[in-house]
Amino acid sequence: DTAVSQTPKYLVTQMGNDKSIKCEQNLGHDTMYWYKQDSKKFLKIMFSYNNKELIINETVPNRFSPKSPDKAHLNLHINSLELGDSAVYFCASSQDAQAHQPQHFGDGTRLSIL
Amino acid sequence: QKEVEQDPGPLSVPEGAIVSLNCTYSNSAFQYFMWYRQYSRKGPELLMYTYSSGNKEDGRFTAQVDKSSKYISLFIRDSQPSDSATYLCAMSYQAGTALIFGKGTTLSVSS
Repeated sequence: DTAVSQTPKYLVTQMGNDKSIKCEQNLGHDTMYWYKQDSKKFLKIMFSYNNKELIINETVPNRFSPKSPDKAHLNLHINSLELGDSAVYFCASSQDAQAHQPQHFGDGTRLSIL
Repeated sequence: QKEVEQDPGPLSVPEGAIVSLNCTYSNSAFQYFMWYRQYSRKGPELLMYTYSSGNKEDGRFTAQVDKSSKYISLFIRDSQPSDSATYLCAMSYQAGTALIFGKGTTLSVSS
């Protein structure tokens, strides 16, 4: 009964392909996030959704498109994958969008571009 | 200058030592300060949360915020091998804004 689960855990694919990462949370939270952690372990916000509505959209190439079919799910679709997209992608959720609410993270999806 | 600076280490200490981890930041608008712990191949987990300035203690962990110096610290007393992990500081301005993370400090506690 993992609180925030991501699939797949590992994703190895070739440059130019399109891929999706799925995230589900069973905590009943309203807010979900996608983060990217690069090879130097730097964790940076990409997107945030609150009740299926996009509230944070950092400077991310438009090849990345988040989709929230309901508030328990936030998927990330990536078009035309590039070498620089290799990273660990973390999904997280929090009770709401208040700054003090703790964020619960999944264990990450390790994306490697060949 | 990055918004949040954190020495990546690595930091190696013997079991039982007191560990001090620190972050500095440049934006005085930050109000919420957090420390996350990340084990290898796992997601970050929240350790401590502090609002504005002051100290907060939870077991062996103490978080300090000094807004006048734009400096936050995490102290770990009686460190254990199970504390070996990467510690990330994080901070935010207000509701609906993103958490800004430091790069993390890798800690190794040897028995």
